[in-house]
Amino acid sequence: DAGVIQSPRHEVTEMGQEVTLRCKPISGHNSLFWYRQTMMRGLELLIYFNNNVPIDDSGMPEDRFSAKMPNASFSTLKIQPSEPRDSAVYFCASGLAVLGEQFFGPGTRLTVL
Amino acid sequence: GENVEQHPSTLSVQEGDSAVIKCTYSDSASNYFPWYKQELGKRPQLIIDIRSNVGEKKDQRIAVTLNKTAKHFSLHITETQPEDSAVYFCAASKGGSTLTFGKGTMLLVSP
Repeated sequence: DAGVIQSPRHEVTEMGQEVTLRCKPISGHNSLFWYRQTMMRGLELLIYFNNNVPIDDSGMPEDRFSAKMPNASFSTLKIQPSEPRDSAVYFCASGLAVLGEQFFGPGTRLTVL
Repeated sequence: GENVEQHPSTLSVQEGDSAVIKCTYSDSASNYFPWYKQELGKRPQLIIDIRSNVGEKKDQRIAVTLNKTAKHFSLHITETQPEDSAVYFCAASKGGSTLTFGKGTMLLVSP
């Protein structure tokens, strides 16, 4: 089992640029979560998908953030335009909804200059 | 919504000592309580979990206890080792919904 796969692992961009983060959940999992982690705010849930459908996006900071899950094996988190305050580690996690477990990917460290 | 409080925020122990981290939750309907370990620069990793139908679960040197009446649960690490040093997060959820995380405990184990 390859686990949750995220790409890129590191991203450095300039303010105003578009950033796309990618996630491949564990095969067979039907829940997918995007989190953001910073020292100041800790681990924040951004959005939660169940069976590819967004269930709770109340954590998405603002309209600059969008997430999609076109199929069971792929999800993207897009920031457009990016700002320095978006700098953080972004984690994707997946699990089986009925069990409640979540398994995290390695994360993408985003730096916006 | 659910609220999870975690204490202490930092914990320093000597190698070989035991460490205990405590969490309380607010929603009595919560029924799943996982613990995650996050080493510096790494992902949170699920180390043990407990469901509301049991009061205690053990896995080698780690154990978790749950008191549903008091709405609190605890992580116990015995015979601590330097490699146990990390940030530990508790969490709670109900019915397979989203996890609500505590703010984390930084555990430092000195040789």
